[in-house]
Amino acid sequence: DGGITQSPKYLFRKEGQNVTLSCEQNLNHDAMYWYRQDPGQGLRLIYYSQIVNDFQKGDIAEGYSVSREKKESFPLTVTSAQKNPTAFYLCASSILGLAGVLGNEQFFGPGTRLTVL
Amino acid sequence: AQTVTQSQPEMSVQEAETVTLSCTYDTSESDYYLFWYKQPPSRQMILVIRQEAYKQQNATENRFSVNFQKAAKSFSLKISDSQLGDAAMYFCAYRTQQGAQKLVFGQGTRLTINP
Repeated sequence: DGGITQSPKYLFRKEGQNVTLSCEQNLNHDAMYWYRQDPGQGLRLIYYSQIVNDFQKGDIAEGYSVSREKKESFPLTVTSAQKNPTAFYLCASSILGLAGVLGNEQFFGPGTRLTVL
Repeated sequence: AQTVTQSQPEMSVQEAETVTLSCTYDTSESDYYLFWYKQPPSRQMILVIRQEAYKQQNATENRFSVNFQKAAKSFSLKISDSQLGDAAMYFCAYRTQQGAQKLVFGQGTRLTINP
């Protein structure tokens, strides 16, 4: 089955620790995205990548880092510099450009719930 | 920068009735996409319906339809014959055609279905 997987489903972090959230897709999509969702709010963009070895900051990139060494993978590291990391994190991917019926839709993974202890 | 506003934090509807969720957006672009996503308690984001800005015809997917008013920058979602499984958070989203085609989300509307 094609889709996006995120792991772990739940993650706990102690103060001062860095943690890495995994995101993998087998849809052969060019673009990948990381969003953060806080209670009662919409999704906010953290980082995105259009191509391997290239990525750009989104609206709330401070305290986060990413890498894109493979087309299928886009891991997100929450560093100790992120002061309020407790949130739900969603990874998404999409085809870039006009691509027929499925063009421009972002497909989402199931999410990771991060809690700071 | 584009913004998306959903002015109804919560809505409720009786089962089998019709409900309309509101969304407005701000942009200076002429070509873009608009989406409605559903997020049930599982928190999985599910695409409900999409609308291309260059199309005048309103999109329809089974019981879901939109009222797209480009000049007014309005994009409402109508759910007909509401079912218990429609209960969820609904997010309106704007997507530019430029660059990485990022999504900008509204704050969401929590829809409750009363049996």
